[in-house]
Amino acid sequence: QVQLVESGGGVVQPERSLRLSCAASGFTFRNYAMHWVRQAPGKGLEWVAAISYSGSDKYYADSVKGRFTFSRDNSKNTLYLQMDSLRPEDTAVYYCVRAKLGARSFDSWGQGTLVTVSS
Amino acid sequence: DIQMTQSPSTLSASVGDRVTITCRASQRISSLLAWYQQKPGKAPKLLIYDASSLQSGVPSRFSGSGSGTDFTLTISSLQPDDFATYYCQQYDTYGAWTFGQGTKVEI
Repeated sequence: QVQLVESGGGVVQPERSLRLSCAASGFTFRNYAMHWVRQAPGKGLEWVAAISYSGSDKYYADSVKGRFTFSRDNSKNTLYLQMDSLRPEDTAVYYCVRAKLGARSFDSWGQGTLVTVSS
Repeated sequence: DIQMTQSPSTLSASVGDRVTITCRASQRISSLLAWYQQKPGKAPKLLIYDASSLQSGVPSRFSGSGSGTDFTLTISSLQPDDFATYYCQQYDTYGAWTFGQGTKVEI
């Protein structure tokens, strides 16, 4: 079955960096576009970033553009989200998400990893 | 960016009720809309995609309709497992996916 397992979350001070990883299994990873979606404590869902199946195309929410970098390694079935210049408002659970083939909705989600930005 | 507005924000209902949640887009998005269910402490789950297509494994009491700017999610007979928060999401604009603010369905 499809599994998406995030790691790398934790507590970090403002303006520092953190890298999240997402290990994918149970499907042909290289065929799928992937996303990160976050959810601040007690708040709604916010799309963060997307990457095409090959990794050649990347998209970012305005709130993270220039600070976050999304990449993938199809040989390792792994995604990476490099988060630089972190702000308190980046505090959230970060979900690794698979895009549904033939549609652009999100059909599989990881369990999430919590990032807390605080001094 | 396209803004998505859900109503109501909170909905009180009983088991067996027919429940309808509305999502309005700030501009036309064709039928490029999905609905998700989220329970506390869990990841969201895809229910409906392309406005009216039922995701595999989702009970048939869930249905979606609408196109353009106005969309609805209907639960035909609310079950105990359905008490959760529901989100709509547009994907008309590639590179700028947006969610509604959520609708909490409570007892």
